[in-house]
Amino acid sequence: DIQMTQSPSTLSASVGDRVTITCRASQSISSGLAWYQQKPGKVPKLLMYKASTLESGVPSRFSGSGSGTEFTLTVSSLQPDDFATYYCQQYNSYSRTFGQGTKVEIK
Amino acid sequence: EVQLLESGGGLIQPRESLRLSCAASGFTFSTYAMGWVRQAPGKGLEWVSSISDNGGVAFYADSVKGRFTISRDNSKSTLFLQMNSLRAEDTAVYYCAKIGLISSNFDYWGRGTLVTVSS
Repeated sequence: DIQMTQSPSTLSASVGDRVTITCRASQSISSGLAWYQQKPGKVPKLLMYKASTLESGVPSRFSGSGSGTEFTLTVSSLQPDDFATYYCQQYNSYSRTFGQGTKVEIK
Repeated sequence: EVQLLESGGGLIQPRESLRLSCAASGFTFSTYAMGWVRQAPGKGLEWVSSISDNGGVAFYADSVKGRFTISRDNSKSTLFLQMNSLRAEDTAVYYCAKIGLISSNFDYWGRGTLVTVSS
């Protein structure tokens, strides 16, 4: 099975900061990577797919990059609504695997 | 408006069985692949299973393979998850989710149903 590892596990940042989350796959997944955002008590929300394609309605301050085994999610200027937990998820193989999550908290 | 409403969760003893349902509305159910994702209390997301639009193909996480069965009734716009031989580690909120045609990912989620496996 493909394993997904996110770093860091927790990230402390301020409004306006540029933040980057990294996701690594245990084997190549080409561009088969999605990113989700989950706020406490809420269901996850799809942010991005195919590593860098923004889901409809997602603000352009979110961007994604990478292919193969290393991927990043960047928020160019963190807004109050962005404090949440972010998950990467591979969908290249017949199975899907989520990373363990990165919590973005207020510094 | 897309709506997914899970039901069937509850407190169940180890080694027993439970069937979850997910009633879908607001979209042409038979056109979309669907899946189940779970989240243990205070933990991250774990993909459980996915099924193709016509129900002909299904995939499972290793942790549930051989114990869980995903199915669907397109005539009733309903997704199911039959869970057998339940274990304490299956305790989680189970989300039903729709897979987008373009994104190939979970673009709409239900609010989830809690399954607690405990004696």
